Amino acid sequence: QVQLVESGGGVVQPGRSLRLSCAASGFTFSDSTMHWVRQAPGKGLEWVAVLSFDGRNKHYADSVKGRFTISRDNSNNILYLQMNSLRAEDTAVYYCARDGVTFTWYGEYLDYWGQGTLVTVST
Amino acid sequence: EIVMTQSPATLSMSAGERATLSCRASHSVSSNLAWYQQKPGQAPRLLIYSTSTRATGIPARFSGSGSGTAFTLTISSLQSEDFAIYYCQQYNDWPYSFGQGTILEIK
Repeated sequence: QVQLVESGGGVVQPGRSLRLSCAASGFTFSDSTMHWVRQAPGKGLEWVAVLSFDGRNKHYADSVKGRFTISRDNSNNILYLQMNSLRAEDTAVYYCARDGVTFTWYGEYLDYWGQGTLVTVST
Repeated sequence: EIVMTQSPATLSMSAGERATLSCRASHSVSSNLAWYQQKPGQAPRLLIYSTSTRATGIPARFSGSGSGTAFTLTISSLQSEDFAIYYCQQYNDWPYSFGQGTILEIK
């Protein structure tokens, strides 16, 4: 069965960096475009970034562009989110999610989600 | 950026009733719209994609319709497990975007 397990969250000071990981199993990771979505405490969902199955195409939300970098290791079935220059407003649960369409360069809907990892940006 | 607006913010209904949730896009998203259900402390779950296609394992009481800028999620006869928050998401243009959610609560 499809499993996505996020890790790397924690408490970090404003301006610092953090890298999230998402370990994937139960499907052919290298065939799947992957996404990061976040949810601030008590708030709705915010799409963050997408990376195509082959790592060639990526897009970001305006709120994180230039600060966050999405990447993947298809040999080890891991998705990453490098977060730099963190701000208080980046505090959220971060979910990785699989795209519902294989071999897509642009991404579509999200058919499987991890349980999320909490990032808290605070002094 | 395409802004997704859901209405109502909260819907109070009883089990067995029919629920209709709305989602509007600031620009056309064609049929590139999905619906998700989220329960407290859980990750979202995909319900509907491509406006009207049910995801694997989703009961037939869930249906989606619409096109362009106006979309609807209908739950034909509410079950106790359906009380949750529902989000729409457009994937027609980057950045992809979600609506703010509709809370479906027990009356």
